[in-house]
Amino acid sequence: GENVEQHPSTLSVQEGDSAVIKCTYSDSASNYFPWYKQELGKRPQLIIDIRSNVGEKKDQRIAVTLNKTAKHFSLHITETQPEDSAVYFCAASKGSARQLTFGSGTQLTVLP
Amino acid sequence: EAGVAQSPRYKIIEKRQSVAFWCNPISGHATLYWYQQILGQGPKLLIQFQNNGVVDDSQLPKDRFSAERLKGVDSTLKIQPAKLEDSAVYLCASSLNQGNTEAFFGQGTRLTVV
Repeated sequence: GENVEQHPSTLSVQEGDSAVIKCTYSDSASNYFPWYKQELGKRPQLIIDIRSNVGEKKDQRIAVTLNKTAKHFSLHITETQPEDSAVYFCAASKGSARQLTFGSGTQLTVLP
Repeated sequence: EAGVAQSPRYKIIEKRQSVAFWCNPISGHATLYWYQQILGQGPKLLIQFQNNGVVDDSQLPKDRFSAERLKGVDSTLKIQPAKLEDSAVYLCASSLNQGNTEAFFGQGTRLTVV
């Protein structure tokens, strides 16, 4: 089955700096890659997603890039703010079932 | 719109006891998922329903876990008997259909088995 690896497990940045989280996947048939943000004790919430027919997608301060050949995708957050502090999960799925395989998560801390 | 509702929010039980979790998906969402999230890990899919039918339960430990969605709306997940390693947050998610639609998560039920 699919295996998703995520790095780093923890990341601390100064407010205003950029943060990058990287994920690799094993199944070349995977075609949908969402990113979820989970604040402590709260539900995971989708922040951005990308499909395999696109190499990059941007939404304000958040962008995701996908390299299908290398089977990796990354989340980029620019101009970080303290409210960006949370655990971020990448995930991958294939086909129409949308069964997500999640990475292990990255605890992002934005220092004021 | 109302989100995915789950209850209870917290549950503490002794090992070998039984427990049940309830999920009410977003109205009109045909697809429902149960995920298990162990502390410090990403959610892991247990079972997926499409309406009242099971799409995939390959990762559900069927010797102790069961789930149903009898009328294609609400769903229950049961553990009988519980083990210490079942301690986790159980997340329910729903999506409009199986295709290119976002999965919305509930707040989860935090289970502690002592």
